[in-house]
Amino acid sequence: DTEVTQTPKHLVMGMTNKKSLKCEQHMGHRAMYWYKQKAKKPPELMFVYSYEKLSINESVPSRFSPECPNSSLLNLHLHALQPEDSALYLCASSQLGGANVLTFGAGSRLTVL
Amino acid sequence: AQSVTQLGSHVSVSEGALVLLRCNYSSSVPPYLFWYVQYPNQGLQLLLKYTSAATLVKGINGFEAEFKKSETSFHLTKPSAHMSDAAEYFCAVSEMNRDDKIIFGKGTRLHILP
Repeated sequence: DTEVTQTPKHLVMGMTNKKSLKCEQHMGHRAMYWYKQKAKKPPELMFVYSYEKLSINESVPSRFSPECPNSSLLNLHLHALQPEDSALYLCASSQLGGANVLTFGAGSRLTVL
Repeated sequence: AQSVTQLGSHVSVSEGALVLLRCNYSSSVPPYLFWYVQYPNQGLQLLLKYTSAATLVKGINGFEAEFKKSETSFHLTKPSAHMSDAAEYFCAVSEMNRDDKIIFGKGTRLHILP
């Protein structure tokens, strides 16, 4: 299995809703990432989990809450989001060490109304 | 902090012509460098990576890139463009002692003219 699977592919939520994005990989990778990508922009790093511990938080607002239940799963919990949070959320994984190659999922497109 | 600069947000080439996408990095020590491609409504896919083993790096789909320390550049080339090469291309960088922090350039949209 060489894929990163993200669910759901599309999500529409109101500003008072609580929802979650999910990401799964079975490649034995020890790092997992969340990136946010606005239209016609590059991916922006949000969070990194290395060996199931949060190693990077790029000053992301607390309305985004990551969780790594085990080495294969990564969640992004969403609460009280703003319309400007609408974007494509990309999950990636990698085998740490050396030139760290990211394997990306297809993304979850989030629309906040 | 590491960063990369991609010159040209849009590049248009004719089918069969040379593709050249430019990337410059800012670092006093050679970092790890990558080129990724993103097709519409998809995630990113690795084209190639530089790890200091060789300055000329060959990737998938006929792409290659040359690391030039004197110019702090890592430009992406392909001898002959194909219609299927139309996509967004991102240069990316990470530090050798912080390989979990990978930062992307602003991207270059490649258009292929028939």
